[in-house]
Amino acid sequence: SQQGEEDPQALSIQEGENATMNCSYKTSINNLQWYRQNSGRGLVHLILIRSNEREKHSGRLRVTLDTSKKSSSLLITASRAADTASYFCATGLYNTDKLIFGTGTRLQVFP
Amino acid sequence: KAGVTQTPRYLIKTRGQQVTLSCSPISGHRSVSWYQQTPGQGLQFLFEYFSETQRNKGNFPGRFSGRQFSNSRSEMNVSTLELGDSALYLCASSGGITGGTDTQYFGPGTRLTVL
Repeated sequence: SQQGEEDPQALSIQEGENATMNCSYKTSINNLQWYRQNSGRGLVHLILIRSNEREKHSGRLRVTLDTSKKSSSLLITASRAADTASYFCATGLYNTDKLIFGTGTRLQVFP
Repeated sequence: KAGVTQTPRYLIKTRGQQVTLSCSPISGHRSVSWYQQTPGQGLQFLFEYFSETQRNKGNFPGRFSGRQFSNSRSEMNVSTLELGDSALYLCASSGGITGGTDTQYFGPGTRLTVL
């Protein structure tokens, strides 16, 4: 099974609303990253949070990491139609060079 | 800097054939990773190369192989194609020392269709 499981699988909101996606993982990590993918294209890196960090911000993005619960959340504030995409968490596994992706959340933002 | 490039962008093959996909990383990046993306299995890690050495391999059969050249360009090969190999193949490069778990910069992907 996947290292990262994301919740919800799909999310539909109106422009201006906030979107929250959650990621749970199973094994120890060096870092956790979030990526965005627009319909069948390559992934774009959004943010990286290290295992010793608890929260990180980048523009309208806020990521939290709880290593005791093996979970992370991505909050997109004031969503825009252009945020419509699939969002993936990826865990950099401890003591390896593997980056394992989760199942993804499909976000639809309606104008 | 130019981004990660992948060629070809689209490919149609028949069962039993073999295919080679190419990836040129961002200049200066020594780590190149390959992923397979399908609707059913999601994003699956194939392998990661760093300075011409394969450091990690995912759970794929031996029909999937790769290599990296001294200029960091990478190729992956799939032999004896099966219908289930139809997927988007993504290449990513990284400039960090850790390589595989650093920020990945993805190419646009190669869409492989096996008939």
